[in-house]
Amino acid sequence: SQQGEEDPQALSIQEGENATMNCSYKTSINNLQWYRQNSGRGLVHLILIRSNEREKHSGRLRVTLDTSKKSSSLLITASRAADTASYFCATDAPGNQFYFGTGTSLTVIP
Amino acid sequence: GAGVSQTPSNKVTEKGKYVELRCDPISGHTALYWYRQSLGQGPEFLIYFQGTGAADDSGLPNDRFFAVRPEGSVSTLKIQRTERGDSAVYLCASSLGTTQFFGPGTRLTVL
Repeated sequence: SQQGEEDPQALSIQEGENATMNCSYKTSINNLQWYRQNSGRGLVHLILIRSNEREKHSGRLRVTLDTSKKSSSLLITASRAADTASYFCATDAPGNQFYFGTGTSLTVIP
Repeated sequence: GAGVSQTPSNKVTEKGKYVELRCDPISGHTALYWYRQSLGQGPEFLIYFQGTGAADDSGLPNDRFFAVRPEGSVSTLKIQRTERGDSAVYLCASSLGTTQFFGPGTRLTVL
């Protein structure tokens, strides 16, 4: 079974707006990562945040992690049409298993 | 070098047949993962190799599924007596540390 759940399931915004998606998970983790997937094929790693970190930035991406609430958020600022994709959070549990959430489908309208 | 590659990119088979899906990881990556992704879902963990050995195969759904990595590089996922419910995209990923690098996947369709 999958550990994480993303919210919302689908998000549609205008180009230039910010997009925020959330991830909740169930058990303790070492790290949480966000991935992007285009057209249902290979996933691309975006950013990793460790369990002892609370916030991390990479370009237009900002990730937060709240281990007390077992949740994370991904913010994409100044969105572009090319950001249209599905976004997944993934948590690594002890034993190096990776659990992916159900994903947020983001549509950025030009 | 090149990224993770998977062959074939698409596989159509009939119910009851045997299929093999291949994954070529990034050279030097010791860890290799297999996932299955159904439409509208996130990737579901199947099995994880560290070197040649399966460190965790708890995600394999049943004994029709088996994977090998005999030389610690290329891996093959084998599915016996395929069922229509096995239809999905099978993703492979490799890593040297924490970040996994994914291949493009093999889309398996069981008719």
